[in-house]
Amino acid sequence: GAVVSQHPSWVICKSGTSVKIECRSLDFQATTMFWYRQFPKQSLMLMATSNEGSKATYEQGVEKDKFLINHASLTLSTLTVTSAHPEDSSFYICSARDHFGPSGTGELFFGEGSRLTVL
Amino acid sequence: DAKTTQPTSMDCAEGRAANLPCNHSTISGNEYVYWYRQIHSQGPQYIIHGLKNNETNEMASLIITEDRKSSTLILPHATLRDTAVYYCIVSGGGATNKLIFGTGTLLAVQP
Repeated sequence: GAVVSQHPSWVICKSGTSVKIECRSLDFQATTMFWYRQFPKQSLMLMATSNEGSKATYEQGVEKDKFLINHASLTLSTLTVTSAHPEDSSFYICSARDHFGPSGTGELFFGEGSRLTVL
Repeated sequence: DAKTTQPTSMDCAEGRAANLPCNHSTISGNEYVYWYRQIHSQGPQYIIHGLKNNETNEMASLIITEDRKSSTLILPHATLRDTAVYYCIVSGGGATNKLIFGTGTLLAVQP
């Protein structure tokens, strides 16, 4: 199946710094990618929809100025957690559908996740 | 997107079939049923999806009732590595349609 890769897999940073997480579709093009966040023992929570060449669409309650999303190409979306604080520590996961796959029937492929720890 | 209801947890003996139910009584005509699983500390893994016909692949079978209000994921011969949280999600198709995760079912395969 198609592959979505995230980098880094894990990162530790100091409070107040910014962290960038990359999400790449390795063997397909994706006009749309999705960013999720998952706290321990909880389900995945959709944060935003990343659209290639345009602004991301954020879910209710997600601060767009804190979680900056850039989708500059059909294979790369980035999530930047700005001025990170300990409460931002979480597992961040991206996903994408194959743009040229059968519309309406394609599965969403997920990255391996990026674990952020803010000290 | 329609909401789904799944049992919180289930046990299954290794080598036996695991049958995971999902209720989606408010599903609309153009919405698909997707199944994903998440093994601890990993990204979700796609298992199978369907619209109204039963589906089978190398991982599992998906049985959708005729009224489409419920479905069952079947792992024919569960192994210890199948221990994971299984999510049943209903969503429209198309590249921009997002998947909203519920709480899922924690399947524990016992030796």
